[in-house]
Amino acid sequence: QKEVEQDPGPLSVPEGAIVSLNCTYSNSAFQYFMWYRQYSRKGPELLMYTYSSGNKEDGRFTAQVDKSSKYISLFIRDSQPSDSATYLCAIYGGATNKLIFGTGTLLAVQP
Amino acid sequence: DAGVTQSPTHLIKTRGQQVTLRCSPKSGHDTVSWYQQALGQGPQFIFQYYEEEERQRGNFPDRFSGHQFPNYSSELNVNALLLGDSALYLCASSAVGANVLTFGAGSRLTVL
Repeated sequence: QKEVEQDPGPLSVPEGAIVSLNCTYSNSAFQYFMWYRQYSRKGPELLMYTYSSGNKEDGRFTAQVDKSSKYISLFIRDSQPSDSATYLCAIYGGATNKLIFGTGTLLAVQP
Repeated sequence: DAGVTQSPTHLIKTRGQQVTLRCSPKSGHDTVSWYQQALGQGPQFIFQYYEEEERQRGNFPDRFSGHQFPNYSSELNVNALLLGDSALYLCASSAVGANVLTFGAGSRLTVL
């Protein structure tokens, strides 16, 4: 079983839609949860960072963590064509101090 | 602040050759991590350098080696290249103990 599972998509939505991106993880020792956004031919950039269960909001983006279910989500409200990118969930913690990524979900927001 | 810079941007090699990729970390960062990202996949951790030593290593063969210099810059070396080594190689930097990484744009390696 992979440490982090993420649906690779692709996901295509119309402009203005609410987008839901999800990951599951296997090790309850993981403590830190992040979402990175990666545009084509670019490196990943940090979008959201959470530690505890619950929601964290930043503008149109909301990160949600459910540690009991080992489930993390990213919601994008009022999606824009500029949101078209690959979204990578990443987790950190446990016995190894390294960032572990999901496979990424390719999102296309159609104008 | 230039952020994390990597060179070269693109390169093409043939099987069996060796390659060296370079990374300059973000100003104020002293820890460098290297990741391999195959097409359609998430980044896979190769290794991490701090204080010029390899501190942690992922599941990569010894053909992958690295180095960190006193100015915190780093190199990734891959020997005896295989077709499967074709990927985007990402360098990320952080302050020691921090779990938030800043990534460079990557070096895209194609092995023919």
